[in-house]
Amino acid sequence: GESVGLHLPTLSVQEGDNSIINCAYSNSASDYFIWYKQESGKGPQFIIDIRSNMDKRQGQRVTVLLNKTVKHLSLQIAATQPGDSAVYFCAETPYNQGGKLIFGQGTELSVKP
Amino acid sequence: EPEVTQTPSHQVTQMGQEVILRCVPISNHLYFYWYRQILGQKVEFLVSFYNNEISEKSEIFDDQFSVERPDGSNFTLKIRSTKLEDSAMYFCASSDEGTNTEAFFGQGTRLTVV
Repeated sequence: GESVGLHLPTLSVQEGDNSIINCAYSNSASDYFIWYKQESGKGPQFIIDIRSNMDKRQGQRVTVLLNKTVKHLSLQIAATQPGDSAVYFCAETPYNQGGKLIFGQGTELSVKP
Repeated sequence: EPEVTQTPSHQVTQMGQEVILRCVPISNHLYFYWYRQILGQKVEFLVSFYNNEISEKSEIFDDQFSVERPDGSNFTLKIRSTKLEDSAMYFCASSDEGTNTEAFFGQGTRLTVV
């Protein structure tokens, strides 16, 4: 069946280091991918997205890489800050399914000062 | 900045009771969604709604669940007869297009069934 999963449930990094969060997806029909950040007690917050016709997209301090050959998605956070501490979810949107998002399990990022 | 708002923030209900969770999507958005998140687990899709009808629903969204857009601003999720396993965070989301576009999430309603 459809699934989006994350390789690591927790990631601890030192402030100022770069963070890489990985995600595997299984639905080759998905054409849109999003990374969300969720802080405790809050709803998912959009970070960055990428369409299936791209393999890299950069935002402010964040980069998303998409490897369709191996169905892999990653989120890179440069110069990680304490405010980046949260759970990060990747999500995919299967084509022609009304925009529904399939979320992965989540990776908890902990930034040590 | 426009945002999705949900009420109440926390709802406690007895098993078997009906609950209605309320959402006000972003005003110019046309696509609306409900998701739920059981404590410590991933966010799960429940239903999507467009043009006053359900466009997609998951296996979770059985006959006990219904959605409604009673007026031009509210979007509600009703659970007719709550079960203990319905306890979760329920998130409303909206987007201006149905596909390939960011969905904005509300802060969620924590539903506790006792």
